[in-house]
Amino acid sequence: AAGVIQSPRHLIKEKRETATLKCYPIPRHDTVYWYQQGPGQDPQFLISFYEKMQSDKGSIPDRFSAQQFSDYHSELNMSSLELGDSALYFCASSRQVRGRTDTQYFGPGTRLTVL
Amino acid sequence: QKEVEQNSGPLSVPEGAIASLNCTYSDRGSQSFFWYRQYSGKSPELIMSIYSNGDKEDGRFTAQLNKASQYVSLLIRDSQPSDSATYLCAVTIPLYRGSTLGRLYFGRGTQLTVWP
Repeated sequence: AAGVIQSPRHLIKEKRETATLKCYPIPRHDTVYWYQQGPGQDPQFLISFYEKMQSDKGSIPDRFSAQQFSDYHSELNMSSLELGDSALYFCASSRQVRGRTDTQYFGPGTRLTVL
Repeated sequence: QKEVEQNSGPLSVPEGAIASLNCTYSDRGSQSFFWYRQYSGKSPELIMSIYSNGDKEDGRFTAQLNKASQYVSLLIRDSQPSDSATYLCAVTIPLYRGSTLGRLYFGRGTQLTVWP
């Protein structure tokens, strides 16, 4: 079965540079969530999109922005990178089902290293 | 206080034993409950979901939910060395009443080691 695709898988940037992470959800999934996981920590929610509209916002720095496009893929844009942004970034996708909250399936992640 | 608390472990069991993982959550509005398995440096992999009180079995895995006690557990029978990983308990709280959208709130994870 098709899974969530994320690119790039690894990214190395210098401080103050910008980065763009891409996420391609499972076919027919309409919702995308972004999570950040620092070393030894649990994943923390950043932002989500449903049907191309922002649906929820968590602890996402103002330096970060994201959007979901007409083909449902999503991009997370990160500017003025800081050392503390080094982490694993996961995208999860889901399909809304009436009656209960959705089940999220995670992509392989992008490992961002800021030097 | 975190929304989700897990017994931090680490938990070490011999091959063939039952591993028991526990989790409590604080928000009674939590609606869906999940166990994810995460190998080091990899993404969380969904292994169980449970939505109503009681037990749910899938192969060697059994999830238990008790909403009155706000408690979720995962039993792994006949544990194998390949089960060695961090197990993340997660819950979703609807974004608003009646919504099917909800971010995942994770516990800190329990590291399980199954030794041969």
